[in-house]
Amino acid sequence: AQSVAQPEDQVNVAEGNPLTVKCTYSVSGNPYLFWYVQYPNRGLQFLLKYITGDNLVKGSYGFEAEFNKSQTSFHLKKPSALVSDSALYFCAVRDYNTGGFKTIFGAGTRLFVKA
Amino acid sequence: DTEVTQTPKHLVMGMTNKKSLKCEQHMGHRAMYWYKQKAKKPPELMFVYSYEKLSINESVPSRFSPECPNSSLLNLHLHALQPEDSALYLCASSQESGGPNYGYTFGSGTRLTVV
Repeated sequence: AQSVAQPEDQVNVAEGNPLTVKCTYSVSGNPYLFWYVQYPNRGLQFLLKYITGDNLVKGSYGFEAEFNKSQTSFHLKKPSALVSDSALYFCAVRDYNTGGFKTIFGAGTRLFVKA
Repeated sequence: DTEVTQTPKHLVMGMTNKKSLKCEQHMGHRAMYWYKQKAKKPPELMFVYSYEKLSINESVPSRFSPECPNSSLLNLHLHALQPEDSALYLCASSQESGGPNYGYTFGSGTRLTVV
């Protein structure tokens, strides 16, 4: 079965410092991996995806993610955090076994960036 | 137009009421989704429509009844709900039908409270 795990409930970082939000995955076949961000009382916003190709994927708002097949990880990163990056972040995998219709979300990691 | 629009934004209903949630997109996406999200939890898939046909029903109770009148509209009809059904209901759409290459576009959600 496809699954993703986000080992940290919360990540705290100072503004201007680099940030990392961790995600590991378990899939059968090729992974189709995504990151979404959710601000309070809003829907999720797509940040970036890994389908194939370069292991370093660049996305919206200066975020990037590194795909590591040997470690089955897809960590989200940003070189310099902003207070406005504070939000709930979800890692997700498309379930290929359902034709890709089903997206499985991790439990979420709350990012808190302190000024 | 690159948005998914959900109405109403907030809804309070009694357990004997009948109400409907509405979702609209004009991006030409042919897959549309209903998700339920409890506070600080990941979204849980309820229904998937592909080309206006119901593709996935995640064993959702019959008090939730989805409808896809055309390729741009998705409704969720509610009847005889329970207080535990109170949640944020999210609609999403995606470009493809059956292929996992694309992220989802989410609406801002309807905050439902059942009293």
